[in-house]
Formats: sequence, structure tokens, C-alpha cells
Amino acid sequence: KNQVEQSPQSLIILEGKNCTLQCNYTVSPFSNLRWYKQDTGRGPVSLTIMTFSENTKSNGRYTATLDADTKQSSLHITASQLSDSASYICVVRPGGGSQGNLIFGKGTKLSVKP
Amino acid sequence: DGGITQSPKYLFRKEGQNVTLSCEQNLNHDAMYWYRQDPGQGLRLIYYSQIVNDFQKGDIAEGYSVSREKKESFPLTVTSAQKNPTAFYLCASSIDGTRTDTQYFGPGTRLTVL
Repeated sequence: KNQVEQSPQSLIILEGKNCTLQCNYTVSPFSNLRWYKQDTGRGPVSLTIMTFSENTKSNGRYTATLDADTKQSSLHITASQLSDSASYICVVRPGGGSQGNLIFGKGTKLSVKP
Repeated sequence: DGGITQSPKYLFRKEGQNVTLSCEQNLNHDAMYWYRQDPGQGLRLIYYSQIVNDFQKGDIAEGYSVSREKKESFPLTVTSAQKNPTAFYLCASSIDGTRTDTQYFGPGTRLTVL
């Protein structure tokens, strides 16, 4: 069964600290993996997309990694800010078919405290 | 929220009533989607449409209906047959629904059944 598991479920860090969120998937065949940021009560916003051949991709203070062999991805946030408080969702698209069959993780809720 | 609007932001409904959630986009995207988000769960696909006058059921279509008469609009009707409709509903659109296509989400509608 295609699944996406994220850890931890929630995380509290102090402003200015770094953190890493994890995503493990069992989706096969694999097409690509995205990380979304969702502020409370808002729609998700795409941070990065990674395909099979990509190992690392950065978007400002966000750096995503992908190990397609172990089917793991991580999202590293550097020098966290209060505005980073949100849920971060890992989404995997299986190979073939349309975008109708994206597999969503349950998300990691990050709280950045002053 | 990038050119996708959802209305209303909050909606209250009595049991047994049908209700229609609006989704409009001005991004000239061909593909549109409806998701449901419940606490502690990943987004689940209700319906999606890759072209006007055509749509497909997602994982949890029972109790919902959609129409796609115009490219810009993809309304979702929550019928009385949906047994547990209280949830956060997200609409999304993408250029054409292909493999690396980014889905852009609206701000969401929170539906509460009284």
C-alpha cells in the first residue's frame, strides 16, 4: 500500500535554532516528492519538488533532501523564525497516472517560540 | 493563495441540508481539485477535473458532487448523503495535471454541521 509517514508529529523549537523534519514513503513506482508549508487555517504552499535524480534542493532557509534508495526525505530549516510556525506536509506522486493520485503525509506541526 | 478564491471561509449547515462550496481561479489552469482535511489526517482527494466538462472521483467521493462547466470554476456540493461533512475543504488548481505540475491551493472553507 502506498503510504507517506512523517515524523515527528509535532515539534517545538526556539527562534533561531535549526530543525529537521522527516518523511518516509513506500510509494512505488516513484515520480516526485514535494514539501508544502501550511499555515493554520490556510491552504498549503509548495516549498520544493524533488524528482528521482535529485538529492538536495534549497529554497531560502529550507533545504530538502531525497534518498530514493531508502525512500526517505528530510526538510531542514535553518535559523528558524516565528513565521516558520506551520504544518509541513510531505506529498509523494506515484509514477504514471495523473495528479489525482497524490499521496499526502499527515504533516509535522512546527511551533517556533521566541 | 495565488489567484484561487474559495467562499465562504466559514459555513454552517444543518443536518440534512445540501451546501455548495465555491472555488474560482484566474490562473488559466486546466486542472482543478477538491480535498478534504481532517485533524490528524493527510489531505484526501474528493474529486478532480483535468478539463472542462470532465471530472473524476477521488478517494472519498461518496456524498459529494461537482460540476466543471467553466474553466475558472469548480464548485463542490456536499449532499445530505455525506455522513460526516464537518471538515476543512481545500480547492486547488494546476496548469494541466501532468507529472511535475504544481498544485496551488485556495484559502479553504471550514464547514461545520450543526
